[in-house]
Amino acid sequence: DVKVTQSSRYLVKRTGEKVFLECVQDMDHENMFWYRQDPGLGLRLIYFSYDVKMKEKGDIPEGYSVSREKKERFSLILESASTNQTSMYLCASSWGQGITDTQYFGPGTRLTVL
Amino acid sequence: GIQVEQSPPDLILQEGANSTLRCNFSDSVNNLQWFHQNPWGQLINLFYIPSGTKQNGRLSATTVATERYSLLYISSSQTTDSGVYFCAVPSSNTGKLIFGQGTTLQVKP
Repeated sequence: DVKVTQSSRYLVKRTGEKVFLECVQDMDHENMFWYRQDPGLGLRLIYFSYDVKMKEKGDIPEGYSVSREKKERFSLILESASTNQTSMYLCASSWGQGITDTQYFGPGTRLTVL
Repeated sequence: GIQVEQSPPDLILQEGANSTLRCNFSDSVNNLQWFHQNPWGQLINLFYIPSGTKQNGRLSATTVATERYSLLYISSSQTTDSGVYFCAVPSSNTGKLIFGQGTTLQVKP
């Protein structure tokens, strides 16, 4: 079974802090994704990566950056957390050349920025 | 860009009832995925269904690509079916997955 893990289920940070969210997949997937989920807005793509050291902006990249130094790990970075970044963050991965192949999701990190 | 609309937004069922969830999309697509998010936030892919019908236990899905909609059927619902159901299609110009707003299902015992 595909396993996607995220470093924390719940996280509380203060405004201005630097925040790292880690995602690891164990299936040698090419593609990895970061989404945020907010009530009434569904899932929105922040960034994705189709290879090591490669990244592409999604629909809402502002205020975020990412890092993919190893194939299995994709990190989301909030350089200076703000209250409007309080949200549920979901990581996903998929196999293959197409970024719209079946995606497998991690359990999510619920981030609160005070 | 492509628009994805799901209906109904909310649904409450008694255990054992059947239900149909709908996903409409505004442009032709070459694939469509259904996901279930359980009450703890975990998203599980249910179907990858660009066209036709697929079944998995009590769940089945049908996509009619020419008419730009997909249906998810849940038969003999159980409390564990509760959660949010999303459909997702690729954007025609970016190729990224676009998610609908979801249908929140509550199955009461």
